[in-house]
Amino acid sequence: KNQVEQSPQSLIILEGKNCTLQCNYTVSPFSNLRWYKQDTGRGPVSLTIMTFSENTKSNGRYTATLDADTKQSSLHITASQLSDSASYICVVSAPVGGANNLFFGTGTRLTVIP
Amino acid sequence: ETGVTQTPRHLVMGMTNKKSLKCEQHLGHNAMYWYKQSAKKPLELMFVYSLEERVENNSVPSRFSPECPNSSHLFLHLHTLQPEDSALYLCASSQDFSGGETQYFGPGTRLLVL
Repeated sequence: KNQVEQSPQSLIILEGKNCTLQCNYTVSPFSNLRWYKQDTGRGPVSLTIMTFSENTKSNGRYTATLDADTKQSSLHITASQLSDSASYICVVSAPVGGANNLFFGTGTRLTVIP
Repeated sequence: ETGVTQTPRHLVMGMTNKKSLKCEQHLGHNAMYWYKQSAKKPLELMFVYSLEERVENNSVPSRFSPECPNSSHLFLHLHTLQPEDSALYLCASSQDFSGGETQYFGPGTRLLVL
């Protein structure tokens, strides 16, 4: 079972509307959580990073929240634009050495339509 | 945008072919990674190099052979691949190999094995 679950798998919204993407994880202990945006045909790009002591982080119209007690994170997109159409990937890091402490979600595919 | 480049962007090969994927990073980073991204699956870490030494090898079949001649270049040599190896292969780099650092991804090579 994947230790990082994202929902919904895909989402279609109208331009200008808000949306919220969810990430639930079971990784423990936990070091930090990142949201990446992956445009079609491109590699993922980091949007936000939060440590266990932070519960919100903004990057323009993107706001990530974290509840370390319930092991849930959300990515809220405000006033969506067509360029927000992409896959959004949640990545959780465990505080152990090595790159195998990175746990990736399968992503949410967002489509913004005019 | 051009911090990590990958070539080719698209590759079609037969099961008996030998080909190589190339990755170059212009960020002065010390760690480089190969990932496999298949539809509806989380990113799978394949190999990690830190200061040109391989530090992670996630039980990847021997038909995939990485090479890191220097800290800026990473290759993935492919031979006798199977159709299930068709996927997007992403290269990434980070300042150091600690697992918690932001990774910068290239655009990927879309591989189709016939």
